[in-house]
Amino acid sequence: KAGVTQTPRYLIKTRGQQVTLSCSPISGHRSVSWYQQTPGQGLQFLFEYFSETQRNKGNFPGRFSGRQFSNSRSEMNVSTLELGDSALYLCASSPGLADTDTQYFGPGTRLTVL
Amino acid sequence: KQEVTQIPAALSVPEGENLVLNCSFTDSAIYNLQWFRQDPGKGLTSLLLIQSSQREQTSGRLNASLDKSSGRSTLYIAASQPGDSATYLCAVLNMIYNQGGKLIFGQGTELSVKP
Repeated sequence: KAGVTQTPRYLIKTRGQQVTLSCSPISGHRSVSWYQQTPGQGLQFLFEYFSETQRNKGNFPGRFSGRQFSNSRSEMNVSTLELGDSALYLCASSPGLADTDTQYFGPGTRLTVL
Repeated sequence: KQEVTQIPAALSVPEGENLVLNCSFTDSAIYNLQWFRQDPGKGLTSLLLIQSSQREQTSGRLNASLDKSSGRSTLYIAASQPGDSATYLCAVLNMIYNQGGKLIFGQGTELSVKP
């Protein structure tokens, strides 16, 4: 089974621009979560989607948004980029969010904002 | 508010040593606890998942325990090897009724195993 894939792997943007990141979960998985990882804050939860519905959202400004498509693929969008948005963005997929469901992470998208 | 703490932040050991990584959490209402490994610049690899009703899980040289009442988990690595060098992350899954859930991570333990 193919793992979680994320595209692009690397991105360089300037302040004020917007960016869209993509995540393709493992086949059959319906839950997709997004996390931001920075050296100072560690891994922080952004949002979780299940069957095209956002079920939970972390404490991030409205500039961060996402969606999930009917094939479970997910995108996240960051508008009006700030320097502090530079981070590794990780996507995780799981069958659902049962207590037996391991979350499988993709390789991440490294975003640099100049 | 759930908080996860990992001690120590960094650890350097000689090859062959058995070692223990610690994780503590403040709210015992967790669905499960997962241990991950992260190599520099890479994504996370799942190592072990312990359901809230379980006490431990084993995979090869790895053994993880969970004590919900005290809010603690340990990851035991037997006969460490240089290939075990990585950052080890502990995360608890908190569920919100009808609102899905989220993993809350510790800051990680950076492990270096010297040949």
